[in-house]
Amino acid sequence: SQQGEEDPQALSIQEGENATMNCSYKTSINNLQWYRQNSGRGLVHLILIRSNEREKHSGRLRVTLDTSKKSSSLLITASRAADTASYFCATDEGGSNYKLTFGKGTLLTVNP
Amino acid sequence: DTAVSQTPKYLVTQMGNDKSIKCEQNLGHDTMYWYKQDSKKFLKIMFSYNNKELIINETVPNRFSPKSPDKAHLNLHINSLELGDSAVYFCASSQVFISNTEAFFGQGTRLTVV
Repeated sequence: SQQGEEDPQALSIQEGENATMNCSYKTSINNLQWYRQNSGRGLVHLILIRSNEREKHSGRLRVTLDTSKKSSSLLITASRAADTASYFCATDEGGSNYKLTFGKGTLLTVNP
Repeated sequence: DTAVSQTPKYLVTQMGNDKSIKCEQNLGHDTMYWYKQDSKKFLKIMFSYNNKELIINETVPNRFSPKSPDKAHLNLHINSLELGDSAVYFCASSQVFISNTEAFFGQGTRLTVV
């Protein structure tokens, strides 16, 4: 099964607006992570949220986790052109310690 | 200093050739990984190594052979390259478990098989 399905697949907003991306997964998890990938680059870790946490903040990022709905959301507030990237959620599917299962990502475009 | 470095960044080769991608991390991490990202940007785990030992081999064809000479290096050798092997390959590392800690990714190797 494919974990971490993000929606929308693509999102285009104006600078200063907020961007919300959602992620759904199928099986129980211990942790969920969000990563950012700029075009042609590797992934950069943004935030990790544990299954016993409901919300976490890091700078302009806010992540929520609803284990009853098997879903998470990433909110980027006051977006900047530099936030333009693909955003992926990743889970420890089935409790595996040694792999993350990634979704297909949301391509966020922030227009100046 | 680059935390996780891969070489080469681009690799164009003909079908049937054998090629290698090298990866090194200077973070002192115990665990290293290879991920494949296809043309639709879907990332899939290929291999996980912990302290030079293979932990996960995610149903990867045996034309792909990872080698970890030490904790800081995880190389990927691919035999008899096929068109379908074209993708971006990412090396990553983490302090023990990737499931509950930040992973660091290399910049990727874009492999094109013609």
